[in-house]
Amino acid sequence: QSVLTQPPSASGTPGQRVTISCSGSSSNIGSNYVFWYQQLPGTAPKLLIYRNNQRPSGVPDRFSGSKSGTSASLAISGLRSEDEADYYCAAWADSLSGYVFGAGTKVTVL
Amino acid sequence: QEQLVQSGSELKKPGASVKVSCKASGYTFTSYAMNWVRQAPGQGLEWMGWSNSNTGNPTYAQGFTGRFVFSLDTSGNTAYLQISSLKAEDTAVYYCARSYCGGDCANYYYYGMDLWGQGTTVTVSS
Repeated sequence: QSVLTQPPSASGTPGQRVTISCSGSSSNIGSNYVFWYQQLPGTAPKLLIYRNNQRPSGVPDRFSGSKSGTSASLAISGLRSEDEADYYCAAWADSLSGYVFGAGTKVTVL
Repeated sequence: QEQLVQSGSELKKPGASVKVSCKASGYTFTSYAMNWVRQAPGQGLEWMGWSNSNTGNPTYAQGFTGRFVFSLDTSGNTAYLQISSLKAEDTAVYYCARSYCGGDCANYYYYGMDLWGQGTTVTVSS
């Protein structure tokens, strides 16, 4: 059972907006940055969002992150077929002195 | 360009050991910490721990103490993960991933894992 809670799946049609939630606690999301990773099928994860809402160079602005209290969310606007992937949230957990991940959310483009 | 290139797939018998390498290029190796992440078949990501590139000091997550050893070769810009006394449940893809250290790595977890290796599949089977 993961420390961070994500829905197992999310879906939308091309062009729609999809939001993925990530729920934690005061010792992880509540006191540290949230990161989001995208894992396309058969490939290594890729950093999508860092420090709650920052996009690395090359990440489209269709992807956005936010954080409030002990929860965070990732939004994908203008959904495209190439966005079909698993998405993981992560945060540092003070109580564990280590990173914790959510179980991942599989996004399907209908 | 910046990249992490990992060693190839391994097939091992229970009780054996394996050493996975992760060679960095295109950036200053000692400016970044190296994390290790495990992904069991069909499962999510699990952080195993990290190596402080300034001190070489490893830190292991709960569940990854004893049989797991992280090491660094700063002259060869390579990080290593060694697993001993392999069990069937160690079957997984193992990733290395860097995090910016910004000096003494005191706040390395501010930066996330911004560059990943392609993964090394370790299969443990008799």
